[in-house]
Amino acid sequence: AQSVTQLDSHVSVSEGTPVLLRCNYSSSYSPSLFWYVQHPNKGLQLLLKYTSAATLVKGINGFEAEFKKSETSFHLTKPSAHMSDAAEYFCVVSPSGSSYKLIFGSGTRLLVRP
Amino acid sequence: EAQVTQNPRYLITVTGKKLTVTCSQNMNHEYMSWYRQDPGLGLRQIYYSMNVEVTDKGDVPEGYKVSRKEKRNFPLILESPSPNQTSLYFCASSLSGVLHYTQYFGPGTRLTVL
Repeated sequence: AQSVTQLDSHVSVSEGTPVLLRCNYSSSYSPSLFWYVQHPNKGLQLLLKYTSAATLVKGINGFEAEFKKSETSFHLTKPSAHMSDAAEYFCVVSPSGSSYKLIFGSGTRLLVRP
Repeated sequence: EAQVTQNPRYLITVTGKKLTVTCSQNMNHEYMSWYRQDPGLGLRQIYYSMNVEVTDKGDVPEGYKVSRKEKRNFPLILESPSPNQTSLYFCASSLSGVLHYTQYFGPGTRLTVL
């Protein structure tokens, strides 16, 4: 069965420093991978997605992620954190062969210190 | 304004009392889906619908029913709610599937079953 593992439940950074949120996936085939963000008391918003095109994917608000098949990873990065980045982030996989199902990781809460 | 709406936003009920959470989208989307969010578990897919009269189970369908009689609406029905269905529920929609089209999420419904 396909799954994603988010390696950190909480990450704390200072404003202006880099952000790294880690995600590993398990899949027999090349999956489609996504990062979603959930701000407090809000619904989810798509940050970026990988669907077998370029391995470095750029998303909104300066975030990007790199698909590394050899490491089965899809880590989310941002060069410089902003206070408004404080939120919960979900790594998500769509199982191969399905255009309709999503499997979410357990989430990483990003705290940004002033 | 393009949006996904859910009603009610908050609901407290008792075990066994049937309830319906409504979801409506005004974007003429074919695909709609329900998720539940629990602490430490991320979001889990309950049911999804590819189009009118076409629905399928997600990962946690037990205790839930859905229907898709018209394109804009996708209600979630709990025929006999139990305390383990206390959760935060999200409805989402996209033009078609989850791979190539952005999913738009509703604001969430917080359900408490006593």
